[in-house]
Amino acid sequence: KAGVTQTPRYLIKTRGQQVTLSCSPISGHRSVSWYQQTPGQGLQFLFEYFSETQRNKGNFPGRFSGRQFSNSRSEMNVSTLELGDSALYLCASSLVVAPYEQYFGPGTRLTVT
Amino acid sequence: KNEVEQSPQNLTAQEGEFITINCSYSVGISALHWLQQHPGGGIVSLFMLSSGKKKHGRLIATINIQEKHSSLHITASHPRDSAVYICAVHSNRDDKIIFGKGTRLHILP
Repeated sequence: KAGVTQTPRYLIKTRGQQVTLSCSPISGHRSVSWYQQTPGQGLQFLFEYFSETQRNKGNFPGRFSGRQFSNSRSEMNVSTLELGDSALYLCASSLVVAPYEQYFGPGTRLTVT
Repeated sequence: KNEVEQSPQNLTAQEGEFITINCSYSVGISALHWLQQHPGGGIVSLFMLSSGKKKHGRLIATINIQEKHSSLHITASHPRDSAVYICAVHSNRDDKIIFGKGTRLHILP
């Protein structure tokens, strides 16, 4: 079974731009969660989607948004990028909603200049 | 104060040593996860616990719900165990996952 895939793997954007990251979960998995990892703050929860509905959201500004499609694929969008948004963005999928074992993708490394 | 605290932050040991990484948390939880992250970023879920003890190969994870404490043990450590180990709890207050800052483990051959 193929693992969780994320595209793109690396991205460089300029402050003020917007970005869309994509996550394809393991086949059959219906829950997708997104996380941000920075050297200063470590891993932080962004949001969780299940069956196309946002089930939970972390403490991030409204510039961070996401959605899930009927095939369970998920995208997250960050608008009006700031330098502090530079991070590794990870998604993880699981069969059902947390708490459940999660399978992580390789991440998208976003650099904002 | 962080809701999930790990100790030590960094650990260097010789190959073959018994390793213990600790995690203490201050919130009510429905589950606790131990994760492993290698250089380059990939994260692997090692264990999910809600009570007791689990073992997988040379890895053992325990949790004491009353004391709000979990430990990850590695027996007969090997250089390939070098990684960052992250404790994460699933809060039953708001159903969110909270991560510790991680323990950087370096096993010398």
